[in-house]
Amino acid sequence: QVQLVQSGAEMMKPGASVRVSCKASGYTFTGHDIHWVRQAPRQGLEWMGWINPNSGDTKYAQKFQGRVTMSRDTSISTAYMELRSLRSDDTAVYFCAREVVNSSSWEYDHWGQGTLVTVSS
Amino acid sequence: SSELTQDPVVSVALGQTAKITCQGDSLTTYYASWYQQRPGQAPILVMAAKNKRPSGIPDRFSGSFSGDRASLTITGAQAEDEADYYCYSRDRTGDHVVFGGGTKLTVL
Repeated sequence: QVQLVQSGAEMMKPGASVRVSCKASGYTFTGHDIHWVRQAPRQGLEWMGWINPNSGDTKYAQKFQGRVTMSRDTSISTAYMELRSLRSDDTAVYFCAREVVNSSSWEYDHWGQGTLVTVSS
Repeated sequence: SSELTQDPVVSVALGQTAKITCQGDSLTTYYASWYQQRPGQAPILVMAAKNKRPSGIPDRFSGSFSGDRASLTITGAQAEDEADYYCYSRDRTGDHVVFGGGTKLTVL
């Protein structure tokens, strides 16, 4: 069965960088884009960007341009999201999600369990 | 980028019908999908694009769309349906994702 398993919670200082991993199993990793979505406490879902695991191509939300890097290691079926220059308002749960595409329609059919990143001095 | 607008709160009596709507210009071009999120959990897909219900989702969930508006209807709402619901689509370029602000469904 398809699974996305994320790395554990992180406690970070302002200004630091964090890298969250998302290990995929149960399907061909290079066959589906991986998206990253975050959710601040008591807030809604916020899209951060996606990576094509096959080509390595990425697309980031404008809000995170210059501060986020998404990458992958196909040998271990793992996607990564690195966020730099952390601020307190980056405190959130970060999710990875597998995207499926059907004739100009998209959705996320599987999600990781989420990784809590807390930014505090 | 486009925006998707949802009502923040919808209330429904147990066993009655709840309708959650999502409005945005991009919905005239791209389909919406819907996610349910219970407290402390990851979202799950409850309605795929083109109003296709994923396997395992009860048939009381249905989707529809008209113009720039997509809707998720729960016919005969159950206590376990109480959750936050988010619509999802693409912006005008198709390259970026947009989420609605979310609707908290309360089952009375």
